[in-house]
Amino acid sequence: AQTVTQSQPEMSVQEAETVTLSCTYDTSESDYYLFWYKQPPSRQMILVIRQEAYKQQNATENRFSVNFQKAAKSFSLKISDSQLGDAAMYFCAYREYGNKLVFGAGTILRVKS
Amino acid sequence: EPEVTQTPSHQVTQMGQEVILRCVPISNHLYFYWYRQILGQKVEFLVSFYNNEISEKSEIFDDQFSVERPDGSNFTLKIRSTKLEDSAMYFCASRATGAKMNYGYTFGSGTRLTVV
Repeated sequence: AQTVTQSQPEMSVQEAETVTLSCTYDTSESDYYLFWYKQPPSRQMILVIRQEAYKQQNATENRFSVNFQKAAKSFSLKISDSQLGDAAMYFCAYREYGNKLVFGAGTILRVKS
Repeated sequence: EPEVTQTPSHQVTQMGQEVILRCVPISNHLYFYWYRQILGQKVEFLVSFYNNEISEKSEIFDDQFSVERPDGSNFTLKIRSTKLEDSAMYFCASRATGAKMNYGYTFGSGTRLTVV
């Protein structure tokens, strides 16, 4: 079974600084998709960024970017210029083509002003 | 932007009672899902639904659970006889087909179920 591991239960970052959240996953597949979801205190699940495994180029969405290392099965999220509104739980998730999402345990991100 | 709508936002029920959680997926999506998140824990897959039938379910999704798409818009999760351990946030999600199926799911805001 596929597993997703987020080794950082909690991270802190100063406002305007950069932070990187780690994620590793285990799979024997070559074609799959990876996602980062943000869950603010409202507990809604918000898609932050996604990456297709067949693409070598790292995905970027404004201040959010990923470092996708397929051979190492690593998928980290970098948040630049951190803002107070970035404070949330962040989940890394994996999906094979057409199948369900498998989530990691999450990382709580605290942003200090 | 299209949304997945879940009702109610919060439901309190007595142990042993039946509950129905409702979801209205995005109109042109054909894949539907229920996930559960016990407070402070990871989000867990319950069931996926396509073409009016269950396509996959987890070990959590036992005989106490059922899903239904009673009309063209609603997608429901029923828990027949609730237990204390069913207390959790339940998320409905839907996903597009075709070229857009590779996107992430769109999640609803969740229903917080409290069993007392």
